[in-house]
Amino acid sequence: SQKIEQNSEALNIQEGKTATLTCNYTNYSPAYLQWYRQDPGRGPVFLLLIRENEKEKRKERLKVTFDTTLKQSLFHITASQPADSATYLCALWMDSSYKLIFGSGTRLLVRP
Amino acid sequence: DAGITQSPRHKVTETGTPVTLRCHQTENHRYMYWYRQDPGHGLRLIHYSYGVKDTDKGEVSDGYSVSRSKTEDFLLTLESATSSQTSVYFCAISESKDSGELFFGEGSRLTVL
Repeated sequence: SQKIEQNSEALNIQEGKTATLTCNYTNYSPAYLQWYRQDPGRGPVFLLLIRENEKEKRKERLKVTFDTTLKQSLFHITASQPADSATYLCALWMDSSYKLIFGSGTRLLVRP
Repeated sequence: DAGITQSPRHKVTETGTPVTLRCHQTENHRYMYWYRQDPGHGLRLIHYSYGVKDTDKGEVSDGYSVSRSKTEDFLLTLESATSSQTSVYFCAISESKDSGELFFGEGSRLTVL
């Protein structure tokens, strides 16, 4: 069956450390993978997109890697801040069907 | 912020009643989506539209119908609401299928008693 897996347990880290979130998928062949941030009571907000032929993408303190052999993406936030506390969702874009399929998200808590 | 408005933002209704949620966009984007979000399931695609009068089913479409008579409006209808349809519903838009980036509305919280 097709699955997208993100850690269901919250990730709790100290301010200033690097947060690393994992997204694994099975039986999908995505054209690209995206990461979104969602705050409580709000809609998801797009952060980064990485294509299948890209290994790594950076945007300010964010870095995403994409390994199509391992079927895994890692999402890093360096020098984390309490304001980074939120739920982070990964999503796979199915180019053939205009669909974006989401994982259930991982909650990040950054302690001051 | 992308111009997406969902209405109503909150609704409580009885089992068996019809419910319509509206998504209105001012971005003139071609693609529109309805998702539902539930604890433990994340965001699941209900229906989507790739143009006026062009719609298709997502992974959890049973019990839902949609209509898109204008570019800016995408309606989600629950013909006869059930308690299992209690959820938060998100509308999203996308400029092109190649970009894939979605812009989400603020959500509509529906409670079916």
